[in-house]
Amino acid sequence: SQQGEEDPQALSIQEGENATMNCSYKTSINNLQWYRQNSGRGLVHLILIRSNEREKHSGRLRVTLDTSKKSSSLLITASRAADTASYFCATETGTYKYIFGTGTRLKVLA
Amino acid sequence: GAVVSQHPSWVICKSGTSVKIECRSLDFQATTMFWYRQFPKQSLMLMATSNEGSKATYEQGVEKDKFLINHASLTLSTLTVTSAHPEDSSFYICSARAPTFDEQYFGPGTRLTVT
Repeated sequence: SQQGEEDPQALSIQEGENATMNCSYKTSINNLQWYRQNSGRGLVHLILIRSNEREKHSGRLRVTLDTSKKSSSLLITASRAADTASYFCATETGTYKYIFGTGTRLKVLA
Repeated sequence: GAVVSQHPSWVICKSGTSVKIECRSLDFQATTMFWYRQFPKQSLMLMATSNEGSKATYEQGVEKDKFLINHASLTLSTLTVTSAHPEDSSFYICSARAPTFDEQYFGPGTRLTVT
């Protein structure tokens, strides 16, 4: 069964705005990762955050992790039309297996 | 970064036939490979985990006789969909990891259409 639930399921914003998507999970994790997937394509790794980290940045991306609430958020600042994609969180619980969240479909309007 | 390839990138087969998908780690030795399935507009579901030289471990609900996985070398795992049916049409994605890696590296995926 899927571990992660993401919200919103879909998000539509204007170019230049920020986009925030959230991921909640059920059990303790070693790390959590965020991926982007363009329609019909493979996964692009965005960022990995370990269970002992609270926040990480990479370019226009900011990821937070709250292990007490079992949740993570991905913030994309100053969004661009090219950011239009589906975004997935994936949790790794120590068995090296990834459990993916339900995903957020982001549409950035030019 | 580490690179994982899949072949073919897309395949169409007739109902009742079998199709094999290859997953290769190009620049590292993958002790563990994973196979995922993704239906349209849905998330990735883990199907099985394979370790080099041993039998694959299948997730609950995945038919091991239908989805045959072979991890014969440290750089190659194969997924064979046997007696394919239209409901097996999906996007199949593999990933690979090495003991020194924090993360898995994903292949580009294979789109299977069964007619």
